[in-house]
Amino acid sequence: NAGVMQNPRHLVRRRGQEARLRCSPMKGHSHVYWYRQLPEEGLKFMVYLQKENIIDESGMPKERFSAEFPKEGPSILRIQQVVRGDSAAYFCASSPPNKGQFPYEQYFGPGTRLTVT
Amino acid sequence: GEDVEQSLFLSVREGDSSVINCTYTDSSSTYLYWYKQEPGAGLQLLTYIFSNMDMKQDQRLTVLLNKKDKHLSLRIADTQTGDSAIYFCAESIGDSSYKLIFGSGTRLLVRP
Repeated sequence: NAGVMQNPRHLVRRRGQEARLRCSPMKGHSHVYWYRQLPEEGLKFMVYLQKENIIDESGMPKERFSAEFPKEGPSILRIQQVVRGDSAAYFCASSPPNKGQFPYEQYFGPGTRLTVT
Repeated sequence: GEDVEQSLFLSVREGDSSVINCTYTDSSSTYLYWYKQEPGAGLQLLTYIFSNMDMKQDQRLTVLLNKKDKHLSLRIADTQTGDSAIYFCAESIGDSSYKLIFGSGTRLLVRP
């Protein structure tokens, strides 16, 4: 069973361009989470999605950032008009459907390191 | 408010025990977690503890939770060079227990 896949692993964008980060959850997982890690900091929650639904986007910046998890295909985190402050590692995690046992055990991908020049 | 704090750095000799500490502020934490991050890699869940427990042991790992002081620790027995990594403490709270709140990580260096 392959783990959580993210691509690209490294992404360089110039200011003003768009960044699209992809996340394929583990097989059988229907919940996806995105976190951002700034240098020397811990991960900060951005958004929680289930298939075709955004459950909680309380950690997403109000502008330029959007996320989706379509019925088919990977989850996408999209950053429009990137700025230098968007440079960070973006981690995706997935979890299986919550069956009331250990809730929300999250398995993390290797991350996408975004550099904005 | 929600805040999780850890010391930044710990250095130990191979074979010794390591103790990594974490404090949190929200008394309504439901679960507390320890994750390990190796260079260039994602986070690996090491262990977790439910907030009504005070200790959990899993092979070389021992987690201690002091709810009164809001203090969590991870003890690694017989530390090996392969344990060198960044260790993150995280908590989840109440109805939003999917939302992990991370500390800034403790970098553990194991000297041969």
